[in-house]
Amino acid sequence: EADIYQTPRYLVIGTGKKITLECSQTMGHDKMYWYQQDPGMELHLIHYSYGVNSTEKGDLSSESTVSRIRTEHFPLTLESARPSHTSQYLCASSESRGQGAKYEQFFGPGTRLTVL
Amino acid sequence: KNQVEQSPQSLIILEGKNCTLQCNYTVSPFSNLRWYKQDTGRGPVSLTIMTFSENTKSNGRYTATLDADTKQSSLHITASQLSDSASYICVVSDRGSTLGRLYFGRGTQLTVWP
Repeated sequence: EADIYQTPRYLVIGTGKKITLECSQTMGHDKMYWYQQDPGMELHLIHYSYGVNSTEKGDLSSESTVSRIRTEHFPLTLESARPSHTSQYLCASSESRGQGAKYEQFFGPGTRLTVL
Repeated sequence: KNQVEQSPQSLIILEGKNCTLQCNYTVSPFSNLRWYKQDTGRGPVSLTIMTFSENTKSNGRYTATLDADTKQSSLHITASQLSDSASYICVVSDRGSTLGRLYFGRGTQLTVWP
C-alpha cells in the first residue's frame, strides 16, 4: 500500500470559509499532484509540483492554491469555499524519472469536500 | 484531442463469472497504459501497466491486453469476487512532456453480486 496520506477524509463546511486539505507522502517522491473528481467522472489535474518551491496549474482551472515548502508535504488551500467546490480531491505522488519514463503515480485516499 | 473512452459505463455480474472491460484512446504520442481499481471513497490503485511493446500483462485474476495499432485495451477479470466491486479506470500517459501527463477515462463501475 502506498505511503501517501490525506486529511481530513471528509469535510463539510459553510460557504466563505477558508480550508486547507493536507497531503503527505513518505516515499521521498519529487512529483506531487492534486486531482479533482466528481462522481462518475474522470480525474482532472488541478495542480502539480516537480519539487520543493515548484507549483504549476493543471488542466482544470481551479480557484485553489498549493504550496510545496517540503518534499513530503503538498497542501491545497481554498480561501473562500463555495458550493461549486464540492467534490472529491485526490493527492498523488511519483518519482521523477524524466520524459516518457514508466513511472507510477500513487494516490492517497482522497478528501470528500462538501460546501453548504 | 487526447481522450480515453471506456465501456461499458457500468456492469453487473454474478460472483464467479468472468468479465471484460474496454478502453479506447487517442493519446499521442503514447507512452504507457495503466488500469487502476478505485474502491468507493478511496484513491485509485494500480493493477497493470503496459508500454508500447507489451500486448498483455497479468496481475492475479486481472489480465490486461493492449493493441497499440488500434489504440485499444481490455481488462479481463477471471472468477470474479465480491471484492472486485469497484470502478476500473483506464489511464494513458503521453511521452510528449516531462510531466508524463496522464489522461483518465471515466471508469467502468463493476458490481459483483453474490
